[in-house]
Amino acid sequence: GAGVSQSPSNKVTEKGKDVELRCDPISGHTALYWYRQSLGQGLEFLIYFQGNSAPDKSGLPSDRFSAERTGGSVSTLTIQRTQQEDSAVYLCASSRGGRVTEAFFGQGTRLTVV
Amino acid sequence: AQSVTQLDSQVPVFEEAPVELRCNYSSSVSVYLFWYVQYPNQGLQLLLKYLSGSTLVKGINGFEAEFNKSQTSFHLRKPSVHISDTAEYFCAVSVAPPMDSSYKLIFGSGTRLLVRP
Repeated sequence: GAGVSQSPSNKVTEKGKDVELRCDPISGHTALYWYRQSLGQGLEFLIYFQGNSAPDKSGLPSDRFSAERTGGSVSTLTIQRTQQEDSAVYLCASSRGGRVTEAFFGQGTRLTVV
Repeated sequence: AQSVTQLDSQVPVFEEAPVELRCNYSSSVSVYLFWYVQYPNQGLQLLLKYLSGSTLVKGINGFEAEFNKSQTSFHLRKPSVHISDTAEYFCAVSVAPPMDSSYKLIFGSGTRLLVRP
């Protein structure tokens, strides 16, 4: 596609429910990132996929968070048993390859846990 | 591991005044450096980047940044700001090849530039 697409744009969920956030990267981009942006905070790195290599999961805050990337394209970030502190904007980005020369960001998914 | 520090959480400045947004990084290996901008209610977009070569990098909207290896800094500057420059600015670092490492992009906490008339 023309840009990185994320869905849904907004998600309100009840505490304790599971949520899935989707990211469609730019076609041909082999690298894909997930970040979390909380109110007044910077971008917190969550996970990074590069081609067929094992993902860098070093930023996932707890075992309630997981992500997968199917067929080297679409990625899904799953948050199990959501907590109120999970409320944030979740941003996805993609880039052309392992050598990051520019990452392109989606508009994000605003998650609100009530 | 790499890290990025943006000491100023908010920088207020009057229109047409110069501005400098500070960014310092730490890394034991060579890095690529970036500045991204996030306008209100919009996504992030690349402002400029340093990969190699000239240490003075020019970006969009009249911004420039200078890579200083000895001071591990990559400060962003603009000689005369406009109201429309009001936004959140993020500095980021990535490991440069050929390091056998994750090329993940690490961001600073951001600096809110507030331009007043």
